[in-house]
Amino acid sequence: DIQMTQSPSSLSASVGDRVTITCRASQSISSYLNWYQQKPGKAPKLLIYAASSLQSGVPSRFSGSGSGTDFTLTISSLQPEDFATYYCQQSYSTSTFGQGTRLEIK
Amino acid sequence: EVQLVESGGGLVKPGGSLRLSCAASGFTFSSYSMNWVRQAPGKGLEWVSSISSSSSYIYYADSVKGRFTISRDNAKNSLYLQMNSLRAEDTAVYYCARELYGDSRTFDLWGRGTLVTVSS
Repeated sequence: DIQMTQSPSSLSASVGDRVTITCRASQSISSYLNWYQQKPGKAPKLLIYAASSLQSGVPSRFSGSGSGTDFTLTISSLQPEDFATYYCQQSYSTSTFGQGTRLEIK
Repeated sequence: EVQLVESGGGLVKPGGSLRLSCAASGFTFSSYSMNWVRQAPGKGLEWVSSISSSSSYIYYADSVKGRFTISRDNAKNSLYLQMNSLRAEDTAVYYCARELYGDSRTFDLWGRGTLVTVSS
């Protein structure tokens, strides 16, 4: 099975900050990497698919990059509504999620 | 409105069974692969199972293989998850999720979830 490891597990930041979350796969997954945002009590929301494609309706301050085993999600200027938990997910072989990164207000 | 609505969750004893349903509306259900994803209380997301649009391809996570069965009825715009031999570790919110395209395992539409609690 492919394991996904996110770092950091939690992060404190301020409105307007630039934030980067990293996801590493235990083997190469090409660009089969997606990012989701989840707020408490809500279903996850797709932000980025195929490593760098922005899902329709998602603000352009979100971006993704990487291929192979190393990937990043970047939020260019944090907004109040961005404080949430973020998950990466590989879709190369069935599916596995990372453990999540909780983004908190500093 | 494009939406997925899960139902069928509840409290069940270890070793028991439960059948979850997911009703789809607002889109052509028969054109999409569908999945179940679960989330234990306070924990992360775990993919459970997927089924292709015509039910030709079905996959399961190792943790549920042999105990859970995914199925769909395209005439009724519905997805199902039959869960047998339930264990305490199956306690979770179960979400149904639509795949963005093909067998991409990229989930662009999610339901609100239904809570399954396995406890004596």
